[in-house]
Amino acid sequence: NAGVTQTPKFRVLKTGQSMTLLCAQDMNHEYMYWYRQDPGMGLRLIHYSVGEGTTAKGEVPDGYNVSRLKKQNFLLGLESAAPSQTSVYFCASSYSPGIDYNSPLHFGNGTRLTVT
Amino acid sequence: LAKTTQPISMDSYEGQEVNITCSHNNIATNDYITWYQQFPSQGPRFIIQGYKTKVTNEVASLFIPADRKSSTLSLPRVSLSDTAVYYCLVGDMGDTGRRALTFGSGTRLQVQP
Repeated sequence: NAGVTQTPKFRVLKTGQSMTLLCAQDMNHEYMYWYRQDPGMGLRLIHYSVGEGTTAKGEVPDGYNVSRLKKQNFLLGLESAAPSQTSVYFCASSYSPGIDYNSPLHFGNGTRLTVT
Repeated sequence: LAKTTQPISMDSYEGQEVNITCSHNNIATNDYITWYQQFPSQGPRFIIQGYKTKVTNEVASLFIPADRKSSTLSLPRVSLSDTAVYYCLVGDMGDTGRRALTFGSGTRLQVQP
């Protein structure tokens, strides 16, 4: 049981390049999230999904796109990378049986992205 | 959006009890309060969750007063391995009406020998 797996672990991009970060979970969770964490800072929510085929914006969605074509996968795309997107990206998932119950988040180990 | 406020940092010594308080004045009626621990280069890890009064597990205790506008994470007899960042989290309905979870800046706990 792998939990939440993020691919790749590290990546260096040049300004203007594009890439996709992959998050996969094997816990049959409905909810999935993408966060970014800048050095010495807390986590900020980029986008999230409450089920297959759905996505919604979080706190800092600009410059990112997401897709949830399969329940177990949540993709984060950067169409034109900028140095301000240098950060550590964390994916998380949770099982929520109802809107009034905060089920714990399960996090991956992060993707460290540097944009030069 | 529901916001939380925590102390930026705390220092302690091994064997002491540590209490970290989180303020969440705008907590919604249905929201639970959840605490996470994060070590360097790792994703956050769930510690404890509660709705009201007191919750205890093998790792920590969580105290929530009747008005639920704050909560206190209590770590008994900390060790060096408890040095980490601790986040308090409450639910947030977001613009779509669906649940979205936002983290605050966390509390950096440093445990000294």
